[in-house]
Amino acid sequence: DAKTTQPNSMESNEEEPVHLPCNHSTISGTDYIHWYRQLPSQGPEYVIHGLTSNVNNRMASLAIAEDRKSSTLILHRATLRDAAVYYCISYNTGGFKTIFGAGTRLFVKA
Amino acid sequence: KAGVTQTPRYLIKTRGQQVTLSCSPISGHRSVSWYQQTPGQGLQFLFEYFSETQRNKGNFPGRFSGRQFSNSRSEMNVSTLELGDSALYLCASSLSPGQGIYEQYFGPGTRLTVT
Repeated sequence: DAKTTQPNSMESNEEEPVHLPCNHSTISGTDYIHWYRQLPSQGPEYVIHGLTSNVNNRMASLAIAEDRKSSTLILHRATLRDAAVYYCISYNTGGFKTIFGAGTRLFVKA
Repeated sequence: KAGVTQTPRYLIKTRGQQVTLSCSPISGHRSVSWYQQTPGQGLQFLFEYFSETQRNKGNFPGRFSGRQFSNSRSEMNVSTLELGDSALYLCASSLSPGQGIYEQYFGPGTRLTVT
């Protein structure tokens, strides 16, 4: 199963951009990269996903390296509500199971 | 559209008992996955169902089982409860198998406490 590696924690100032990195060096060519976040006392929430090209949605942007061994989740303007644990997942094609890493705890300072 | 619902939200059981948790996916979603979340182990995959068939299972003992009904609703069962089974149990639904093509939507979870 493809593994992902993320920093344990990161800190950002409110209204500044945040770049959350993820390493997935064992990813195969058809595995999608997903990002979820989990706020305290809630279930994980979908953020964004992609395969090869960079992706944008109302919540964030996903930048995928050309070799697909790493990706970066970009929050364009962090708010206090963005303080959460962010999980990067690479889906094992055909495995039909999701492997979550430890995630990155994002702290946002006012 | 209603989100993923899980019942009950909180549950207290005694060691040795069994428990059944329920999950109703988003309308139209046919894939349901279950996860266990604990402070020590994080989020761990339990199993995934699609069209009433279990397609994959995580590394959990046989005491953990599940099923999916024709309306895509799913249940998971834990028999002979142990103290270490205390956790938040999360259910997630997705449009279809897709190997990650489609995102998952999680429910709020069932908090199980085993005493």
